[in-house]
Amino acid sequence: DGGITQSPKYLFRKEGQNVTLSCEQNLNHDAMYWYRQDPGQGLRLIYYSQIVNDFQKGDIAEGYSVSREKKESFPLTVTSAQKNPTAFYLCASSSDVTYEQYFGPGTRLTVT
Amino acid sequence: GQNIDQPTEMTATEGAIVQINCTYQTSGFNGLFWYQQHAGEAPTFLSYNVLDGLEEKGRFSSFLSRSKGYSYLLLKELQMKDSASYLCAVTDSNYQLIWGAGTKLIIKP
Repeated sequence: DGGITQSPKYLFRKEGQNVTLSCEQNLNHDAMYWYRQDPGQGLRLIYYSQIVNDFQKGDIAEGYSVSREKKESFPLTVTSAQKNPTAFYLCASSSDVTYEQYFGPGTRLTVT
Repeated sequence: GQNIDQPTEMTATEGAIVQINCTYQTSGFNGLFWYQQHAGEAPTFLSYNVLDGLEEKGRFSSFLSRSKGYSYLLLKELQMKDSASYLCAVTDSNYQLIWGAGTKLIIKP
C-alpha cells in the first residue's frame, strides 16, 4: 500500500524543547512539503523540497528546520525559536509541483 | 499580493445541491485544485482544473473561468458524510500552491 506516514499523531512538549516530526512516503514522489494549519485557517507552507538534498523556505519557515537526505523522508524540526508551535502539522508529497499533493494523516503538536 | 477567497461557512440540506465559490488573484495561473478535509484529518484531492469549463466526477463537479479568476465546486445529492471543509488552491506562475482558508460545509438532515 503506497502512502505517506506521519508519526506520532499527537505530540506534547514543554516550551523550550526542540521536537522532530517524521514524514515518510513510499509513493516515489520527488516533491515533499510541510504545512501548518491553525484553527479556521488555510494551509501555510513551512518548507518544501523538490529533490533530495535540496529544500526551500515557504511562507513561515522561521523557527523550523528540515532535511532531505533520502527521497522517502522529510523530517521537520520545530525549534524553541518558534514562538507559537502549537498547531496541526501536515506533510504532503507530489510526483511533480504541477500535480496534486497527497497528504499524511498529520501530527497535532501541543507545546505548554 | 496573492489572495484566494472562499465563504467561511455554508449550510445545506441532505439530498440537495450546494455550490461553493472560490475567487483568486494570483501572479500567474497553472491550475486550480479542490480538496476535501474532514475535521481533524488530512485534506484529500477532489478535482483539478487548468482549462476553462466544467469537470464532472460523480456527484462532484468543478468549474473554472480563468478570465474571471473564478471557480466553483458543485456537490449534488448531498450526504451527511459530505460535511467537511472544502479547500480551494491555485498554482501560481512559480508553481507555488496558494491555499484558501477553506469553506466549512454543514449538512442538515
